Amino acid sequence: DGGITQSPKYLFRKEGQNVTLSCEQNLNHDAMYWYRQDPGQGLRLIYYSQIVNDFQKGDIAEGYSVSREKKESFPLTVTSAQKNPTAFYLCASSIGVIGWQGKDQPQHFGDGTRLSIL
Amino acid sequence: RKEVEQDPGPFNVPEGATVAFNCTYSNSASQSFFWYRQDCRKEPKLLMSVYSSGNEDGRFTAQLNRASQYISLLIRDSKLSDSATYLCVVNFDYGQNFVFGPGTRLSVLP
Repeated sequence: DGGITQSPKYLFRKEGQNVTLSCEQNLNHDAMYWYRQDPGQGLRLIYYSQIVNDFQKGDIAEGYSVSREKKESFPLTVTSAQKNPTAFYLCASSIGVIGWQGKDQPQHFGDGTRLSIL
Repeated sequence: RKEVEQDPGPFNVPEGATVAFNCTYSNSASQSFFWYRQDCRKEPKLLMSVYSSGNEDGRFTAQLNRASQYISLLIRDSKLSDSATYLCVVNFDYGQNFVFGPGTRLSVLP
């Protein structure tokens, strides 16, 4: 089945450590996104990418980094500079600007990674 | 002003009730609209797209009013399983930007 796979489901970070969250999709989508959700709060955009080898900062990019070397993959690194990393991280994909047809092209989400500090 | 605003909630309704959620958006260039539901500690899942002519999917009806920049979701005959947070999502910039509302929480009570 086509979909988005995030791993791991749970992740623990030690102080000063960088950790990388994986996101893979086989939907042939051009656009991919990373969101952060804190308890009881809405989704906030960290980074997004519309095409391979290109990505843009979202609203809360500080302390995070991404890469987009392959269409299928958009890993997120939570660096030691992110002082409050405990949150639910969601990866999403969509057809994007290139394949945009004007309507009804929603985002599809992975089932998320919960990151906590040890 | 936030780009997408929703009823603050929470909504607590008895089983079988009809409940309506409202959403307003500020960007008049918005091009497509969606309702998602998010269960506790889970990812958002697409509930339905919202079309200009309005659309229905079983007990769920979505309406769009572009002139007023307003979207609604109506749930009829509420079930316990409808308990979730409902997210209004607006897309603009030719498919590039998705803006999420803060969500409205619904609890359907037995």
